[in-house]
This record gives sequence, C-alpha cells and structure tokens, in this order.
Amino acid sequence: NAGVMQNPRHLVRRRGQEARLRCSPMKGHSHVYWYRQLPEEGLKFMVYLQKENIIDESGMPKERFSAEFPKEGPSILRIQQVVRGDSAAYFCASTTTNGENTEAFFGQGTRLTVV
Amino acid sequence: AQKVTQAQTEISVVEKEDVTLDCVYETRDTTYYLFWYKQPPSGELVFLIRRNSFDEQNEISGRYSWNFQKSTSSFNFTITASQVVDSAVYFCALSEAWAGANNLFFGTGTRLTVIP
Repeated sequence: NAGVMQNPRHLVRRRGQEARLRCSPMKGHSHVYWYRQLPEEGLKFMVYLQKENIIDESGMPKERFSAEFPKEGPSILRIQQVVRGDSAAYFCASTTTNGENTEAFFGQGTRLTVV
Repeated sequence: AQKVTQAQTEISVVEKEDVTLDCVYETRDTTYYLFWYKQPPSGELVFLIRRNSFDEQNEISGRYSWNFQKSTSSFNFTITASQVVDSAVYFCALSEAWAGANNLFFGTGTRLTVIP
C-alpha cells in the first residue's frame, strides 16, 4: 500500500513562473491537507480539501495560491507568478476521515526553489 | 493561541548515549493533542506518537519514551541508546481538539545528529 505520493520531489522555477505541486493521497483516503515549511521553521497549515471541495483554506495566502482536489486524479497546489519567498518545502498529508481517531500520513514533500 | 517551542535547534550525541528532546507548548484549550514526528534525511514525515491532554501517563516504545507533564506544559521525547539511524529532524506538534490534520501547529524542529 503506497503512502502519500508527492511529485516532483524538487522543483526549480524562475520568478514569475507557475509552480504546480501534486499530491496523491494514500489509497482509501479522501481528505488532503497541504502544509508549507519555510527554511528554519516548522510546518504551517495551508489548506484542507476533500474531493471537489475546499474545506478550510485559512492558511492559504490570498493571492497567487490555489488548490484543488478533483474527483479523479491528484490534489494540485498551484502557485502563480512565484517569488523568492515561495521557496519552501510543501508537504501533503492525507486521512481517511476527519474524526478524532484518524491518523495523518505525510508525503515526502516537494522542495520548491525560486531563482 | 497555540504555540509550540522546541528550544534546541541542534543536538549532537555519540552513539549509544541517551538524548532528550524538549517540547513546550501553549494552548488555552483543555482538550488538545500532542504529537512527535521524525523527518529523516529522505524528507518524509514519520508519525511517532499522539497523546491527548487527558492522558498523562508516560509512554515507552522500544528505545523511545515520552514524558508528558501538564504542570509544565511539556512533552519531552527521550531516545535511549541512540543509534545513527536516529539522526533526523524531530518535530513536536499540537492540535486543539484533534479532528483531522488541518489544525496541527508544529514547532521549528530539533536536528539530532548521532555520531558513530
């Protein structure tokens, strides 16, 4: 049973380009969460999605960032017009439900470097 | 507001030594959950433990043990007889009324290096 799969593992973008980060949850998991880890900081919550719905985007920057989790396929975190400050590791986690005894499994992260 | 402090940025120990990683948290809730995750050099986050605020019993799992003290708002993690494979960044995290993974507050992590 494969874990949470994120790709690419490393992504380099020039300022102004778009970055697309993909996350395939564990089999049977329908809840996806994106976290960002800035250099020398802990992970910070960005957005929580279920299939075709954004449930909580309280941690998402208001501009340039968007996320989706379509009915088919992986969840996508999209960053438009990237800037140097977007350089970070972006982690995806998935759960089966959103209840008290659920376990969150994290992927290996995508390390975005903006040059 | 929630806050998790891991004051130790980096720790180095020689193999077979014991090491304790500190975690201090702040929360106004009476119900909350505390976690430890390990991030090895490969980058993924590996879940180690989840403890709720009503269970102050210490836990031991092999060489790992956790000391939860509500009186000092601490949830410290001890590795006994450390091994090179324990080298990683360790994160402590807090969730108020755990109901998924959209409200995990992480500390800044402690990088542990075990020297052979």
